[in-house]
Amino acid sequence: QLQLQESGPGLVTPSETLSLTCSVSGGSISSGSYYWGWIRQPPGKGLEWIGSIYYSGSTYYNPSLKSRVTISVDTSKNQFSLKLSSVTAADTAVYYCARAELDGGLPDYFDYWGQGTLVTVSS
Amino acid sequence: QSVLTQPPSASGTPGQRVTISCSGSSSNIGSNYVYWYQQFPGTAPKLLIYRNNQRPSGVPDRFSGSKSGTSASLAISGLRSEDEADYYCAAWDDSLSGPVFGGGTKLTVL
Repeated sequence: QLQLQESGPGLVTPSETLSLTCSVSGGSISSGSYYWGWIRQPPGKGLEWIGSIYYSGSTYYNPSLKSRVTISVDTSKNQFSLKLSSVTAADTAVYYCARAELDGGLPDYFDYWGQGTLVTVSS
Repeated sequence: QSVLTQPPSASGTPGQRVTISCSGSSSNIGSNYVYWYQQFPGTAPKLLIYRNNQRPSGVPDRFSGSKSGTSASLAISGLRSEDEADYYCAAWDDSLSGPVFGGGTKLTVL
C-alpha cells in the first residue's frame, strides 16, 4: 500500500524559507506513471495546489506562488521536497503531499495523500 | 476566492438525496475532467470521484458525479450520518496549467 509522509519544521520565522520533505513508501517515485504534488490548506479554509513534479524533474507550479516555490525530487531516497521562500503569516497552513495520476502526460487527480503537517509562520 | 464555486453548506436528513454543485469556466470544467474529494475534520482529503463520474475502489455507489458544460455536481443518495464532511471539487485549469479547487461545501446530516 502506497504511503506518503510529510516531514519538516512546524514553525517557521517570517521572511525565512519553509522546507518540507515527502517520503514515499510502498512504491517507487521513479515509476514514471505519476506526478507528485504539494497542496496546502490554511486553517478553516479550502485547498490550494502549490505545485507538482515528475520523477525526471519536470515541474508545474501555481502561478500565484511560482516566484517563491521550488519543488525537487530525490529518486535515490524516494522523496520529493518543497521550498517556499519569504514566508508570511498567510503561508500558515497544513501542507499535504500527494500522488497524481497521469492523463495525457499531465498531472491528473490526486489519489494518495499524506496525513499533512501543520506549518505555522510566526516569530 | 476559489476558481471553482461551490455552495459553502448543504444539508439533508438520513436517507435523502443531496447534490452539491460546482461551477467553473471553459478553461477548467468546460474542457477537463472534474474530481471530488471528501474530507473529515483533521484528516487528509480522500478521492471520491475522478474523471467526472468514476468511483475509486471502495467508494460506495451512493456517491455519483456528473458534468454538464462548465458545471458539475456530486450527488449522494441514501444519506448517512457518516457522510457528514467537507466536499471539494477540482479540475485542471488550462490557463493556470494546474489543478484548481472549489472552496468546499460542508455537508450536515440533520
